Amino acid sequence: SQQGEEDPQALSIQEGENATMNCSYKTSINNLQWYRQNSGRGLVHLILIRSNEREKHSGRLRVTLDTSKKSSSLLITASRAADTASYFCATDPGGSEKLVFGKGTKLTVNP
Amino acid sequence: DAGVIQSPRHEVTEMGQEVTLRCKPISGHDYLFWYRQTMMRGLELLIYFNNNVPIDDSGMPEDRFSAKMPNASFSTLKIQPSEPRDSAVYFCASSFARGSSPLHFGNGTRLTVT
Repeated sequence: SQQGEEDPQALSIQEGENATMNCSYKTSINNLQWYRQNSGRGLVHLILIRSNEREKHSGRLRVTLDTSKKSSSLLITASRAADTASYFCATDPGGSEKLVFGKGTKLTVNP
Repeated sequence: DAGVIQSPRHEVTEMGQEVTLRCKPISGHDYLFWYRQTMMRGLELLIYFNNNVPIDDSGMPEDRFSAKMPNASFSTLKIQPSEPRDSAVYFCASSFARGSSPLHFGNGTRLTVT
């Protein structure tokens, strides 16, 4: 079964709006990562947040982590059409060497 | 840096045929991962290597699947014999270190078994 589950499965917004995607996981982790996948391409790493961090920023991206609730959120501010992609969270269950991915949120940003 | 290189990009084969997927990781990366992506199951980890040694192959679905990493710059994933349910996109990814290090993905091989 998937360690991470993203919510919602699909999200459609207008350019300039903010997009929020959520991820829940089941077991303890050391790190949580977010990735983006454009159609027909491989996944691209966006941001990593460690279990002792609560919030992290990178450009228009803001990630939060709540280990007590085993959840994370990815906020994309002032979205652009180029942000249209699928977004995945990935965790290292129990601090393992392998990353387990959720099924992703498909984001569509309409111009 | 050319990134992770996978070949072929597309593979169409008939049921029962042998399929070999290839991957060249980023130079200097110690870890190599093979994932499979389908609409139904999402991204599944099949196997991963550390310093060319297979560490965990618990995700390999059946004995029809095998993977090798003969050296630090090359890995193969082989399916023999292939079946229609093997149709998926297969990704190779590499990283410097364990779970705290970002994965660098190739662009995948789209496999269609008819």
